[in-house]
Amino acid sequence: DTGVSQDPRHKITKRGQNVTFRCDPISEHNRLYWYRQTLGQGPEFLTYFQNEAQLEKSRLLSDRFSAERPKGSFSTLEIQHTEQGDSAMYLCASSLSGLASDDTQYFGPGTRLTVL
Amino acid sequence: QKEVEQNSGPLSVPEGAIASLNCTYSDRVSQSFFWYRQYSGKSPELIMSIYSNGDKEDGRFTAQLNKASQYVSLLIRDSQPSDSATYLCAVNDVYGQNFVFGPGTRLSVLP
Repeated sequence: DTGVSQDPRHKITKRGQNVTFRCDPISEHNRLYWYRQTLGQGPEFLTYFQNEAQLEKSRLLSDRFSAERPKGSFSTLEIQHTEQGDSAMYLCASSLSGLASDDTQYFGPGTRLTVL
Repeated sequence: QKEVEQNSGPLSVPEGAIASLNCTYSDRVSQSFFWYRQYSGKSPELIMSIYSNGDKEDGRFTAQLNKASQYVSLLIRDSQPSDSATYLCAVNDVYGQNFVFGPGTRLSVLP
């Protein structure tokens, strides 16, 4: 078990550019979550997948954000036309399932995005 | 809107003391409760999960859950400077569809 991995760890981009982040969950985990965290705040839910199905998406997530998990394994999060307000740490987490006792989420190291 | 509330701190305790961190939640169907520790610039790491009313102990950490009062706490005994971090409370509902984090409490353990 190598844990949750994310790539890249850091990304600096100019306003208006598109960025894509990748997350590889723990191999037997069915659920995969994306969060955004800014300084001094707790992680803010963005979206989650049960296998390849995207089951919920935060109302705070604008149309510029899209996520996929095409084969039920790794996931990508894309942000189009980035804005300075998108600067944050983007966290990925995975869990075995959503049921009590199997719903513990394990986090990757995060991708820190800076939009200039 | 399901909410999880924590005192933002900072909470300062001397080395060797007991640190007490508190969390309240609004959703009565919450089923699963978690404490995560987050060092500055790092991702959250799980300390403990608790699902039943009462106490759960793991080393220097004790989680306490009271579903009637919608309250969960974390006690850290013999606090060490390495415990200085932000502690996040997280709550999940019985359907596994609403995993919500509190804003975190910053703990500072003074040598």
